[in-house]
Amino acid sequence: AQSVTQPDIHITVSEGASLELRCNYSYGATPYLFWYVQSPGQGLQLLLKYFSGDTLVQGIKGFEAEFKRSQSSFNLRKPSVHWSDAAEYFCAVLYSGAGSYQLTFGKGTKLSVIP
Amino acid sequence: GAGVSQSPSNKVTEKGKDVELRCDPISGHTALYWYRQSLGQGLEFLIYFQGNSAPDKSGLPSDRFSAERTGGSVSTLTIQRTQQEDSAVYLCASSLARGLAGVRPANEQFFGPGTRLTVL
Repeated sequence: AQSVTQPDIHITVSEGASLELRCNYSYGATPYLFWYVQSPGQGLQLLLKYFSGDTLVQGIKGFEAEFKRSQSSFNLRKPSVHWSDAAEYFCAVLYSGAGSYQLTFGKGTKLSVIP
Repeated sequence: GAGVSQSPSNKVTEKGKDVELRCDPISGHTALYWYRQSLGQGLEFLIYFQGNSAPDKSGLPSDRFSAERTGGSVSTLTIQRTQQEDSAVYLCASSLARGLAGVRPANEQFFGPGTRLTVL
């Protein structure tokens, strides 16, 4: 069965500092990978996705992620964090098979930003 | 254009009552999904619709949970005889249909704001 691990439950960074959120996945085929962000009381917003091709993908709000098949990882990065980036971040893998398309999510990483 | 909408935004009910949660997907999206987000379990898949049929109901936690979709659009998630462990945020998402054979599915899922269900 597919699974996603986000080893960091909570990360605190200073505004302007760089950020890396870790994500490891387990999936038996070529993965379709996603990063979503959720602000308090809001739904999930897609930051970026990886389907195939270039292993470094660019997303919205200045985020990028790198797919590393050898490490089964899809880490999210941002060179300079803004206070408005404080939110919870979810990594997900799409399971497609047997007539289904469902996202399996990690437990999330809560990001706090110090002014 | 309009995104995925859900109603109500908040629902408080008493244990044992039935509740209905509604989802309006993005116009033209033939695929619709329900997920549940709770403190203990995180984000969990419940059910997937393609058109009005549900090829995958594997995430529904018990037979108290059911969902339907009519006209290839609006979906309703019904929870019968609610229990306290049903308290969670229920999220709906929609996406375009899968692509033609040999083409990867256009499966970016767009999420609604969710319905927060509290069972007292």
